[in-house]
Formats: sequence, structure tokens, C-alpha cells
Amino acid sequence: AQSVTQLGSHVSVSEGALVLLRCNYSSSVPPYLFWYVQYPNQGLQLLLKYTSAATLVKGINGFEAEFKKSETSFHLTKPSAHMSDAAEYFCAVSDLVEAAGNKLTFGGGTRVLVKP
Amino acid sequence: DGGITQSPKYLFRKEGQNVTLSCEQNLNHDAMYWYRQDPGQGLRLIYYSQIVNDFQKGDIAEGYSVSREKKESFPLTVTSAQKNPTAFYLCASRTGETEAFFGQGTRLTVV
Repeated sequence: AQSVTQLGSHVSVSEGALVLLRCNYSSSVPPYLFWYVQYPNQGLQLLLKYTSAATLVKGINGFEAEFKKSETSFHLTKPSAHMSDAAEYFCAVSDLVEAAGNKLTFGGGTRVLVKP
Repeated sequence: DGGITQSPKYLFRKEGQNVTLSCEQNLNHDAMYWYRQDPGQGLRLIYYSQIVNDFQKGDIAEGYSVSREKKESFPLTVTSAQKNPTAFYLCASRTGETEAFFGQGTRLTVV
């Protein structure tokens, strides 16, 4: 069974500082991996996705993530935090086994606070 | 514009009452999903459907029911058997291994 672990339920960064959100996954097959962002009382919006092409993936709003198979990780980074980055971030892994329904399994989320 | 529409945005349920949350998509996606979100617990899968007239239980299906009579629609009923229904409910759809698209959510509160 696939699973996702996000280290740190809350992260506090200063405006202009590096944002680093950690995600580790387990999957029995090569995974598809996703990062989503959620603002209060809204749905999830896709930031970026890894689909077995380039291991360094660039997304929207200046975010990027690197797939490291040896470490089973897909950490999300942004070089310089902006106040608008304050939100909750979710890492997700996709099970590509058809019989399993192509489910997306989510991590517990990391809430980012940006200090001025 | 293509997307997923959830309604209502806010819903209040009395004890012992069944309520139905609506989810409609016009993205022509095959698969649809219902997730429940509680603070600090991420998203937990309730039910999912890969094709019309077929659906499977997710990790927390007890107290919930669904139907998939049309490709575009996947309503979720929260029954009186669900003892702690207060949560934020999210509907999503996708095709194949693409990313899932999410609705704006329904916040259900028991009064």
C-alpha cells in the first residue's frame, strides 16, 4: 500500500527566506507525485507534479520539487517566501495500479506561516 | 469554464438527519472521489468511482453512501450512522494518471 509522510505539521518562515517542505513516500511501483496548496476554506490547487520525466519539477508561484528515488523523497522548495505563500501544503502519491482505482493518497499536510 | 462544482458551500445537519452533498464536473473525467478533511489529519478517502454505476469504499466509508448514475455527478450522502460528520468535504475528479482537480468544498456542521 502506498503512503505519504510530511515531516512537520507547521512551518514558520520569514518573508524572503527559503521555504522547504518535506515529503517522503512509499509505493510498490514507480509513483506519480504531486504537491497541492490549499487556502482557508477552499479546495486544493495543483502546484506541481512528477510523472517520471525530469526529476526536478518546476511549478507555479516559484515552487519546485526534486524527486529522489534513492531517498523516496519529493521535497518542495521556494527560494524566497512571500506573504501570499501562507497556506497549507499537501503532498500526494498516485497508485497507478488500475485495480486500485488510481487513488491519490495524501500526506497529513504542512501549514506554512510567513512572518514579515 | 471547465471545473468541479460542489454545493452547498455550508451545510448544517441536525442529529439523526441524512444530508446530501452535491458534486458535478464538466471535465469529462472518468474517476471521481470524495475526501473528508479534519484539522491535522490531511485528506481521507471516503468513496471513489472509476466509471458510471460503479464505486468503491475508501478508508472511511462507514456512515456514508454515494451513487454514480451519470459521469458528471457523484453525490455523497452523510447518513445518521455517521457519528461525527462535522468536517470539510472535498470532491475531486481525474482521468488516468493526471492530477486530480478539486471542488471548493462543503463545510458540514452538526447543530
